[in-house]
Amino acid sequence: GQNIDQPTEMTATEGAIVQINCTYQTSGFNGLFWYQQHAGEAPTFLSYNVLDGLEEKGRFSSFLSRSKGYSYLLLKELQMKDSASYLCAVPEGGKLIFGQGTELSVKP
Amino acid sequence: KAGVTQTPRYLIKTRGQQVTLSCSPISGHRSVSWYQQTPGQGLQFLFEYFSETQRNKGNFPGRFSGRQFSNSRSEMNVSTLELGDSALYLCASSLVGGTWPNEQFFGPGTRLTVL
Repeated sequence: GQNIDQPTEMTATEGAIVQINCTYQTSGFNGLFWYQQHAGEAPTFLSYNVLDGLEEKGRFSSFLSRSKGYSYLLLKELQMKDSASYLCAVPEGGKLIFGQGTELSVKP
Repeated sequence: KAGVTQTPRYLIKTRGQQVTLSCSPISGHRSVSWYQQTPGQGLQFLFEYFSETQRNKGNFPGRFSGRQFSNSRSEMNVSTLELGDSALYLCASSLVGGTWPNEQFFGPGTRLTVL
């Protein structure tokens, strides 16, 4: 089965950069997803990594190292609206297994 | 294109009752997955339906069941409700599912409170 670990909470300052880490253990790897979930709302897709390396998408970047079972989500130029929960997820068979999520608070 | 819709958005039930939640996927999407989200356990996979068949199942008791109709709409049912079933129930749709990448689009969820 899958085991996914993320920090529970993080705090950062508006305009700064924050890195949210995710480690996973899997018997078979089919990529790794990052989702963003604002309080009371549905999760929304941010990124999908299946190959090692960094993928950049505007202010958000996601990194994957398959040999280390490690990924991170990098958020640059933080804005107040980035305050949300960030969920790391890996597929297991036909289902998606989520980490507990990292609650990010952006302070002025 | 309309997103995933879930009804009702909020529901209050008492222990022992049963409940049915509904999910309408994005037009053209044939795979529907259901998740339970609680503060303690996070997002946990319940089951996935594709072409009216349950294709994958999570580790939930038999009180949790679902079905999918020919138009891809899906329902999930929870019987003999327990206090611990209080949660946000999320539905996600994708084009075909089953292989990755398979971007799932989530609905707004149904907030179930069991008293």
